[in-house]
Amino acid sequence: GAVVSQHPSRVICKSGTSVKIECRSLDFQATTMFWYRQFPKQSLMLMATSNEGSKATYEQGVEKDKFLINHASLTLSTLTVTSAHPEDSSFYICSAAGGEITEAFFGQGTRLTVV
Amino acid sequence: GQNIDQPTEMTATEGAIVQINCTYQTSGFNGLFWYQQHAGEAPTFLSYNVLDGLEEKGRFSSFLSRSKGYSYLLLKELQMKDSASYLCAVMDSNYQLIWGAGTKLIIKP
Repeated sequence: GAVVSQHPSRVICKSGTSVKIECRSLDFQATTMFWYRQFPKQSLMLMATSNEGSKATYEQGVEKDKFLINHASLTLSTLTVTSAHPEDSSFYICSAAGGEITEAFFGQGTRLTVV
Repeated sequence: GQNIDQPTEMTATEGAIVQINCTYQTSGFNGLFWYQQHAGEAPTFLSYNVLDGLEEKGRFSSFLSRSKGYSYLLLKELQMKDSASYLCAVMDSNYQLIWGAGTKLIIKP
């Protein structure tokens, strides 16, 4: 199956700093990428959907100035958590879809801890 | 509104069979997915159903009835490694995934 690579898998950062998470589709062109976050023992929560070359569509309640999403190419999308706070600590997962959508392929996830 | 319902937790015995149900109400339908998620890891894809009926893949099978808004995931010959959360997700008319809260499956020896 298709492969989506997400990096880093774990990151610890200080409050007030910014963290960038990369999501790459390795063997297909991802026209659409989805960014999720998951708190412990809870379901995935969609944060935003991005289409290559256009601005991301954010879900209600997600601050677009805090969670910057860039989808500049068909194989790369980035999520930047700006001015991170401890409450931003979570598991962030990207998924990618392209062409004939029969599956949404997931990255490995990034565990962010803000101290 | 859009809604996906699945049981919160189920317990089964090693070697047995378990069926995890999922009911949904969404705006449009472009397929139903089942994912397995072990603690601390990203979900991994198990199955995709877009037409009514049963899809079998080894020990795992998934069933869909679009008229009833219902699906189930059937796991046979349960192994301890099958202990995980199982997530049901529906792709709506905008090609967005609507997620259920997940079913935590506990396998006992």
